[in-house]
Amino acid sequence: GESVGLHLPTLSVQEGDNSIINCAYSNSASDYFIWYKQESGKGPQFIIDIRSNMDKRQGQRVTVLLNKTVKHLSLQIAATQPGDSAVYFCAETPGGFKTIFGAGTRLFVKA
Amino acid sequence: NAGVTQTPKFQVLKTGQSMTLQCAQDMNHNSMYWYRQDPGMGLRLIYYSASEGTTDKGEVPNGYNVSRLNKREFSLRLESAAPSQTSVYFCASRSTGLNTEAFFGQGTRLTVV
Repeated sequence: GESVGLHLPTLSVQEGDNSIINCAYSNSASDYFIWYKQESGKGPQFIIDIRSNMDKRQGQRVTVLLNKTVKHLSLQIAATQPGDSAVYFCAETPGGFKTIFGAGTRLFVKA
Repeated sequence: NAGVTQTPKFQVLKTGQSMTLQCAQDMNHNSMYWYRQDPGMGLRLIYYSASEGTTDKGEVPNGYNVSRLNKREFSLRLESAAPSQTSVYFCASRSTGLNTEAFFGQGTRLTVV
């Protein structure tokens, strides 16, 4: 069935360090894999996506890696800041229109 | 530019009552979505509308109905609310095609007692 899950429910990092958030997915047919950030009391906000035919994509301070062999997705945040504290969701798009979310990882940034 | 607007922000219902959650977007997006988010959980897709005039079931459609009133508006109706429907409901829209970015509203916190 379609499912997207996460390895670590909570991640605590020191300000300035790099963060790595991991995700496992099960649907090999998804066209895109996406990362969203959700701050407390708000709706999710798009961070970055990666097409299924790519291995790596970089944005501003973020990098997404896709390993299709082991069905693994990761989000790397460089020089983590207090404003990065949030819940991060991976998601996938099986069949184009639908976006299916995983359970989320909470990131704590210690000052 | 308001983006995605949901009303109401908070609602308490008694078991068996009905209500409609409203959602409107001003970005001329084709696709719209309704999700629910339970505490400590991810978002689960209830229904979506790929384009004006079409609606489809998502992961958890039971107990809900939707209407894509026009391109801007997509409403979610609970005909007979149950405590299991206590959740935060998010509406989202997306232009689709190669663009995967979905824009979310602020959410509606619904409690069914």
